[in-house]
Amino acid sequence: AQTVTQSQPEMSVQEAETVTLSCTYDTSESDYYLFWYKQPPSRQMILVIRQEAYKQQNATENRFSVNFQKAAKSFSLKISDSQLGDAAMYFCAYTRRGANSKLTFGKGITLSVRP
Amino acid sequence: ETGVTQTPRHLVMGMTNKKSLKCEQHLGHNAMYWYKQSAKKPLELMFVYNFKEQTENNSVPSRFSPECPNSSHLFLHLHTLQPEDSALYLCASGSTGTGNTIYFGEGSWLTVV
Repeated sequence: AQTVTQSQPEMSVQEAETVTLSCTYDTSESDYYLFWYKQPPSRQMILVIRQEAYKQQNATENRFSVNFQKAAKSFSLKISDSQLGDAAMYFCAYTRRGANSKLTFGKGITLSVRP
Repeated sequence: ETGVTQTPRHLVMGMTNKKSLKCEQHLGHNAMYWYKQSAKKPLELMFVYNFKEQTENNSVPSRFSPECPNSSHLFLHLHTLQPEDSALYLCASGSTGTGNTIYFGEGSWLTVV
């Protein structure tokens, strides 16, 4: 069975600084997707970034980028120039490619941003 | 606005009541999902529907009854719930055409009294 582990329950970053959120996963599949979702206090789950396992290039979305290490099964999220609006719970998630797939989530990490 | 709409946003019900949560997606996806998010637990997948057919029931108690009349609509019928069922219920939709990315609604807060 696939598992996603986020070992840090909380992190804090100074506004305008950079922070990295860690995630590891376990799977026997070779073709899959990894995601980071953000859940602000409104509780809406918002897709932040997506990585396809067969792509070696790390995904980037504006201030958000990932460090995808397939052999190590590691998928960290880097937030640059942190803003107050980045304060939220962040979930790492995994799904294999194909029909009937489902997301497996980590427990999440609460990120606070200090002004 | 993610294209997935859930109603009601908040629901308070007694343990003997029968109520329903509704989810509608406007994204043309073929799969729809119900997730439960409790305060002390990680996100739990409850049900998956693919082209209206249930493909996953994650050992959910029968007091939760899903219904998927078409690929755009998903319901969660609730009856004789327990206080421990109080949680945020998140609906989501996705498709293999979107790289298995799923998009969530805003959630329905359920309180069982």
